[in-house]
Parts: sequence; C-alpha cells; structure tokens
Amino acid sequence: QKEVEQNSGPLSVPEGAIASLNCTYSDRGSQSFFWYRQYSGKSPELIMFIYSNGDKEDGRFTAQLNKASQYVSLLIRDSQPSDSATYLCAVNRAGGGNKLTFGTGTQLKVEL
Amino acid sequence: NAGVTQTPKFQVLKTGQSMTLQCAQDMNHNSMYWYRQDPGMGLRLIYYSASEGTTDKGEVPNGYNVSRLNKREFSLRLESAAPSQTSVYFCASRTGTSGIYEQYFGPGTRLTVT
Repeated sequence: QKEVEQNSGPLSVPEGAIASLNCTYSDRGSQSFFWYRQYSGKSPELIMFIYSNGDKEDGRFTAQLNKASQYVSLLIRDSQPSDSATYLCAVNRAGGGNKLTFGTGTQLKVEL
Repeated sequence: NAGVTQTPKFQVLKTGQSMTLQCAQDMNHNSMYWYRQDPGMGLRLIYYSASEGTTDKGEVPNGYNVSRLNKREFSLRLESAAPSQTSVYFCASRTGTSGIYEQYFGPGTRLTVT
C-alpha cells in the first residue's frame, strides 16, 4: 500500500461545476495535510493546508480532513478552465520529522 | 522577494559527466529540500537539510551529494551522471518552525542525461 494514494485521473468536470479530489494515507499518526497545484511544466504551488478534522475554506477551495477514515479531499467550486492542472496531496507523517510524503497527483481537466 | 530560485533551468549531460544544481531562498527559511519528479512516480525526496550545517538522506539519495553552503543556499551534485538521473529536479524550503510544515518550491531544473 502506498503511503499517500491518489487517483491519477484525468478527472473531467464542466466549467462551473464542483471538482472533488481525494487522497488517502496509510499512516494513522499523520499530522498535517497539504494540497499543491502543478501546471504542466511548472513547479508545485501550495494552495491549501489543513491540520484539524473538518473543513477549511479559502475562496473557491475547501479542504476536508477525516483522520478516522484517513482521507483528505479538496473541493473546487465554480471550476474554471484555469483550474486544469495536476493536484498533489502531501502528508507530514508521524515520525516523518520535517519531511512531506507526496501522492502521485490527480490530473483535473475543466471543460468549456 | 524572489522566493526559491534554481539554476540552471535546463541541462543536458553525457553519461559520466558531473554537475551541480544550485538552489537559493530569500525567505530566511531554515529547512531546504531536493526532490526529483518522474512521470508516474510523483515527487521523491533526495536529500534535505533541516537547518544550516545539517544534511540527511531522503528516499532516493544514491548517486547524489549535497552541500548546505549557508542558510540561503543548498546545492545538489551529480558526480557521475547516469541516464536514470534524467528527471526534473525541484528545490524547496520551509520555515523550520516547529509545527509548520508547508514547503515552497523553486521553478525546477530539467536534466537530461544521454
């Protein structure tokens, strides 16, 4: 089992819809969770982080964390073509010190 | 405030050649990281430096060496490049404050080894 798992996609959604991206992790003691957006040929860009169970909203983005079920999700409301990118989930595992473990990413395509 | 910068942006090497990838940050961060990104493999940690004067191996350190030159700079050296080291290399930094784990990435170096 991978430490951080994501469906590679592509996930296709129409413009204006809600995109839902999911990530599961294996280490129950993981403490901090991050979502990065990566456009093709560019570097990862931090868009959300969440440390506590529940929801965290920032503009059109909502991160949801459920530690009991070991998953974290990212919702993008009113999806725009500019949201088309690969979204990377990253986890700071218990005992991982200063390191993050990344999933392989989900490709999102927002279609006109 | 440039954030994290990396040089060069692109590089082509022949097998057996050596080179050093440079990384610098101007955010006064304590921790710095080197990753490689390959299709289907995600980001994998090569080496990291939790603070000036310290370095530690990550998941895939073989074939690489690092130097934390000062608080701002963290370089990655390939002593004898191999085709398996063809990849995109990202440097990242983190404040180093306990409990804050967000990392910020540089623009990357695209390396091809022929």
